[in-house]
Amino acid sequence: AQSVTQLGSHVSVSEGALVLLRCNYSSSVPPYLFWYVQYPNQGLQLLLKYTSAATLVKGINGFEAEFKKSETSFHLTKPSAHMSDAAEYFCAVSERNNDMRFGAGTRLTVKP
Amino acid sequence: DADVTQTPRNRITKTGKRIMLECSQTKGHDRMYWYRQDPGLGLQLIYYSFDVKDINKGEISDGYSVSRQAQAKFSLSLESAIPNQTALYFCATSDSSTKGETQYFGPGTRLLVL
Repeated sequence: AQSVTQLGSHVSVSEGALVLLRCNYSSSVPPYLFWYVQYPNQGLQLLLKYTSAATLVKGINGFEAEFKKSETSFHLTKPSAHMSDAAEYFCAVSERNNDMRFGAGTRLTVKP
Repeated sequence: DADVTQTPRNRITKTGKRIMLECSQTKGHDRMYWYRQDPGLGLQLIYYSFDVKDINKGEISDGYSVSRQAQAKFSLSLESAIPNQTALYFCATSDSSTKGETQYFGPGTRLLVL
């Protein structure tokens, strides 16, 4: 079955610094990959998704992620962190519209 | 109005009680899901439904049951609640006709079992 590993349960960056959240996946078929964000006391919102088109995927709020098949990775980046980016981020994998598997999440803290 | 709603938003109950969490959607999606979220574990799938007559167990279905009353409604029941079912519960929906099939989440129900 497919699975996701998110490296680092907590990441802290300064405002204006690069954000890098790491995600590695395991899948027996070409996967669909997702990044979701969860703000306090809210549900999950889709940031971006990869569906086998362009390997560099741009999402909302200035985030992007690159699918690297050779590294089985789908890391999330943002060039310049903003205070409003503080949240929990989840990577997820789905095998051709079957059930989605989520990583354990990475909590991002942004320091002023 | 929100596309995916959950009621109640918060619930405190006692061990052994039966409770029901409800989910409604106005997105017109055919698929619906129930997840639980525990700190450090991400989201775990409890049950999912591909249409009204198609209900499937997820990773952690023991102690839970579901009912798909209509395409727009999917409820989760805890027949006899126990303290380790204390968690944040999310309902989600998706459209099987879309590539990549994004799941859309409700705001969650925070459940405390004493």
